[in-house]
Amino acid sequence: AQTVTQSQPEMSVQEAETVTLSCTYDTSENNYYLFWYKQPPSRQMILVIRQEAYKQQNATENRFSVNFQKAAKSFSLKISDSQLGDTAMYFCAFMKDTDKLIFGTGTRLQVFP
Amino acid sequence: DVKVTQSSRYLVKRTGEKVFLECVQDMDHENMFWYRQDPGLGLRLIYFSYDVKMKEKGDIPEGYSVSREKKERFSLILESASTNQTSMYLCASSFDRYTDTQYFGPGTRLTVL
Repeated sequence: AQTVTQSQPEMSVQEAETVTLSCTYDTSENNYYLFWYKQPPSRQMILVIRQEAYKQQNATENRFSVNFQKAAKSFSLKISDSQLGDTAMYFCAFMKDTDKLIFGTGTRLQVFP
Repeated sequence: DVKVTQSSRYLVKRTGEKVFLECVQDMDHENMFWYRQDPGLGLRLIYFSYDVKMKEKGDIPEGYSVSREKKERFSLILESASTNQTSMYLCASSFDRYTDTQYFGPGTRLTVL
């Protein structure tokens, strides 16, 4: 069975600094999708970034980028120039062609001024 | 923009009551999902549906049932609420079954006394 592990329950970063959230997963599949979702306090969960496993190039979305290491089964999220609005719970998630999203336990990120 | 709405933001019920949680999406998505979110456990899939009147069990279906009479509406039913069903419940929808991003509602925080 596929599993997703986020080993950092909480992290903090100062505004304008860079922070990296880690995620590892376990699968025997070759084709799959990886996601980072953001859940701000008392607000809706939204997609931050997604990565197709067959693409070698790391996905980027403005200040958010991933480091996808397929052989190591690692999918970390880097947030550059952190802003107060980045304070949120971040979930890493895995999907293969069974279409079920499997979530990690989340990392709570606090951005300090 | 995709909009997924849930009928209640907060709900308090008593043990043994029948509870209905409603979810509506406005983007003609085929797929709809119900998750529960608990601290330290991430999100876990309860039920999902790929079409009207279709439903499939997720990872933790016990104690729950669902109904999808119309494409845009997906209901989660707790036949006889118990205290261990106190949780945050998130609804999501997606267009493509196998690869697409899921869009989440704001969540319903259910407390069972």
